[in-house]
Amino acid sequence: QIHLVQSGPEVKRPGASVKVSCKTSGYTFSRYAIHWVRQAPGQRLEWMGWVNAGRGDAKYSEKFQGRVTFTRDTSATTAYMDLRSLKSEDTAVYYCAKLSDTLFFDYWGQGTLVAVSS
Amino acid sequence: EIVLTQSPATLSLSPGDRATLSCRASQNIDTYLGWYQQKPGQAPRLLIYDASNRATGIPARFSGGGSGTDFTLTISSLEPEDFAIYYCQQRTDWPRTFGQGTKVEIK
Repeated sequence: QIHLVQSGPEVKRPGASVKVSCKTSGYTFSRYAIHWVRQAPGQRLEWMGWVNAGRGDAKYSEKFQGRVTFTRDTSATTAYMDLRSLKSEDTAVYYCAKLSDTLFFDYWGQGTLVAVSS
Repeated sequence: EIVLTQSPATLSLSPGDRATLSCRASQNIDTYLGWYQQKPGQAPRLLIYDASNRATGIPARFSGGGSGTDFTLTISSLEPEDFAIYYCQQRTDWPRTFGQGTKVEIK
């Protein structure tokens, strides 16, 4: 079976950085993009961008451009999201999601809560 | 960016009822719309892709329709496990965007 397992919850101060990992298994990692989506409390899902798991290049939502970096380690079949200069508004559950052949997200990680508070 | 507006915000129904959820796009997105179900504390689950195609393992009581700017998700007869929040998402343009969700709650 396909699984995406994310790293655990984080508590950060404003201005800090956070790195969330997404360990995948059960499929050919390099074949499918990994997207990142976040959900602030009581809010809609918000797409952040994606990383091409094969080539390693990434595309970012303009909202996060310059503040986020997506990387991957093909040998570890793991994707990473690095978000910098954290603000209280970044408090959210962050999800990684595998892009399917249908170009929608067919498998998701369990989510990682990132809380930003002074 | 393409804005997706879902209605109603909340749908109060009983098991066995028919549920009809709406998603309207701010511009033409052809049929490039998907629907997800999310339960508390869980990740979203893909139900429908490209407006009307059920994802793998999704029961036949879920169906989708529409094209252009107006889309619907129908649950023909609600099961207890169907009470959740439903989101639509477009893949026509960047950034990918989601609707604000419709909560289907037990009446």
